[in-house]
Amino acid sequence: DIVMTQTPLSSPVTLGQPASISCMSSQSLVHSDGNTYLSWLQQRPGQPPRLLIYKISNRFSGIPDRFSGSGAGTDFTLKISRVEAEDVGVYYCMQTTQFPYTFGQGTKLEIK
Amino acid sequence: DVQLLESGGGLVQPGGSLRLSCAASGFSFSTYGMIWVRQAPGKGLEWVSGISGSAGTTYYADSVKGRFTISRDNSKKTLFLQMSSLRAEDTAIYYCAKRSGDYWGQGTLVTVSS
Repeated sequence: DIVMTQTPLSSPVTLGQPASISCMSSQSLVHSDGNTYLSWLQQRPGQPPRLLIYKISNRFSGIPDRFSGSGAGTDFTLKISRVEAEDVGVYYCMQTTQFPYTFGQGTKLEIK
Repeated sequence: DVQLLESGGGLVQPGGSLRLSCAASGFSFSTYGMIWVRQAPGKGLEWVSGISGSAGTTYYADSVKGRFTISRDNSKKTLFLQMSSLRAEDTAIYYCAKRSGDYWGQGTLVTVSS
């Protein structure tokens, strides 16, 4: 199974400041079709997960441009350029390159 | 709009069975693979099972293999998860989602307790 490791697990951030979350996979996420199926999900308190970023760097419909994704192979990063109050929640990376799909442990974003 | 609506959760005794459903709308259901993901209280996300659009291929996490069965009825645009031999550690909110993870349901709570 592919193990997904996120850092940090907790991130206190000041409103208006940037935030960054890293995700490392235990093996390459490059699929045989050439795509890398690494997604970032946000889960606000009491809500289901929602997709922010797919295939490393593509923002999903309706996601603000302050969210961006980057990386390749086994190392990936989610960045929030200026944190807003509504960004509070837990962020997960998820690989859908191969079954079993796996998630990172989650990073809790909170406001200082 | 894409909608996924889970149902069928509840309280069940250890060793019991439960069948979850996920009603889909707003997209061509039979075209897409679907997955079940669960979240134990206060914990992270755990992928449980997946199924291809045609239902020809199914996948399971080791933790549920042999106890859970995923299926779908494309004519009714509904995804199912048949759960048997339930254990306390199966207690979680169960979400259905499109295989790509772009759309998720609100979840249904399964509690396994005597």
